[in-house]
Amino acid sequence: ETGVTQSPTHLIKTRGQQVTLRCSSQSGHNTVSWYQQALGQGPQFIFQYYREEENGRGNFPPRFSGLQFPNYSSELNVNALELDDSALYLCASSLAWRDGDNEQFFGPGTRLTVL
Amino acid sequence: AQKVTQAQTEISVVEKEDVTLDCVYETRDTTYYLFWYKQPPSGELVFLIRRNSFDEQNEISGRYSWNFQKSTSSFNFTITASQVVDSAVYFCALSSNQAGTALIFGKGTTLSVSS
Repeated sequence: ETGVTQSPTHLIKTRGQQVTLRCSSQSGHNTVSWYQQALGQGPQFIFQYYREEENGRGNFPPRFSGLQFPNYSSELNVNALELDDSALYLCASSLAWRDGDNEQFFGPGTRLTVL
Repeated sequence: AQKVTQAQTEISVVEKEDVTLDCVYETRDTTYYLFWYKQPPSGELVFLIRRNSFDEQNEISGRYSWNFQKSTSSFNFTITASQVVDSAVYFCALSSNQAGTALIFGKGTTLSVSS
C-alpha cells in the first residue's frame, strides 16, 4: 500500500509569484485535504476535495485554489504569493467523509518559503 | 465554535519519566471524533489514535494511553516510561459535523525527552 506523497519537498518563491503543490493520495482513498502549518502552529484547514469537487473550505482567500484529478491526486495553487504564505503545506487523504469520522493520513509536506 | 486547546506549549522530561499531554476541546455536536497526531522533526504527521464521542473507555497501546472524559471535555495523552524517540510535537485534533470536513487542530505540545 502506497502512502501519501507530496512534491516538491521544498520550494522558494518570491512575493507575487504563483506556486503549484502536488499530492498523491493513499491507495484506495478518494478524498484529499490540504492544510497550512505556519511555524510553531497547528495545521490550519485550507480545503478538501472529494471526487474532484471541493467539499469544504477553511478561512483562506480565493487565491488559494485546488484541483482533484480522476485518480484522486490533487494540486494546491497559490497565486500572488505573500510573505505570510511561508509555511509547511500538508496534504492528507482519507475515505469518503461521513459524520465527521475523518481519519486522515498525512504526507510529508512541502515547505514553501516566500522571499 | 469548534476549538482545541493544548495549554502546554513545551514539556521537558528525562528518559523513563511518565508524561501527560493535556487536550481540551469545545464543540456543540453530540457526535464528534478526537485524534492525536505526532509530528517528528521530519514534519510528517503520524496518526496515533481516533476516539468517537460515544466511547469513553480509556485506551492503552504499549507505553501510550489516552483518557477521554466528556464531563470535562478533555482527551489527555500519557506516555509511560518516556524515551528519547518520543521527542516530537504532539497535536490533538477534533472532527465533527459542525466542523464540516476539517480537522481542527490544537497548537501542539513540544515534548523533549533527554537521556
